[in-house]
Amino acid sequence: KAGVTQTPRYLIKTRGQQVTLSCSPISGHRSVSWYQQTPGQGLQFLFEYFSETQRNKGNFPGRFSGRQFSNSRSEMNVSTLELGDSALYLCASSLLGLAGAADTQYFGPGTRLTVL
Amino acid sequence: AQRVTQPEKLLSVFKGAPVELKCNYSYSGSPELFWYVQYSRQRLQLLLRHISRESIKGFTADLNKGETSFHLKKPFAQEEDSAMYYCALRAGGSEKLVFGKGTKLTVNP
Repeated sequence: KAGVTQTPRYLIKTRGQQVTLSCSPISGHRSVSWYQQTPGQGLQFLFEYFSETQRNKGNFPGRFSGRQFSNSRSEMNVSTLELGDSALYLCASSLLGLAGAADTQYFGPGTRLTVL
Repeated sequence: AQRVTQPEKLLSVFKGAPVELKCNYSYSGSPELFWYVQYSRQRLQLLLRHISRESIKGFTADLNKGETSFHLKKPFAQEEDSAMYYCALRAGGSEKLVFGKGTKLTVNP
């Protein structure tokens, strides 16, 4: 079974631009979560989607947004980029049974965003 | 508030020595605890979770609710154990993981 895939793997943008990152979960997985990883702050939760609905959101400004499509693929968008947005953005998917029981999260390789 | 603390940023041991990576958490409810590992140039992957109580690659971790700890242990470290280890907490009803800052383990020959 193919793992979580993220595109693009590397991205360079300048301040003020916007960026869209994509995540394809493991086939059959319905939940997708996003994390930001930086050397200073470590891994921080951005948001979680299930069945095209945002179920949870981390403590990030409104410039960070996301969505999930009917095929469970997810995108996250960062508008008006700042230098501090440079980070590795990780996506994780989990199966999530009908009862809503939490399950193991499988991580993608990440998208390395550099803001100049 | 949910918080995970890994007090050691770096940990270096010799091959064959016991290793313990510390993790303490803060959460008022009943948490689910995990250890994730990231080997060089590989993606973050689950090592073990407290509810399964299994031993993976010789590692074990016991949840101590009294001390709010979930330390990771291995009796005899191997060079291939060198990696970044993250302790994580999940509160009920959400997929959100709260991670510690991680401990970089180096096992020397």
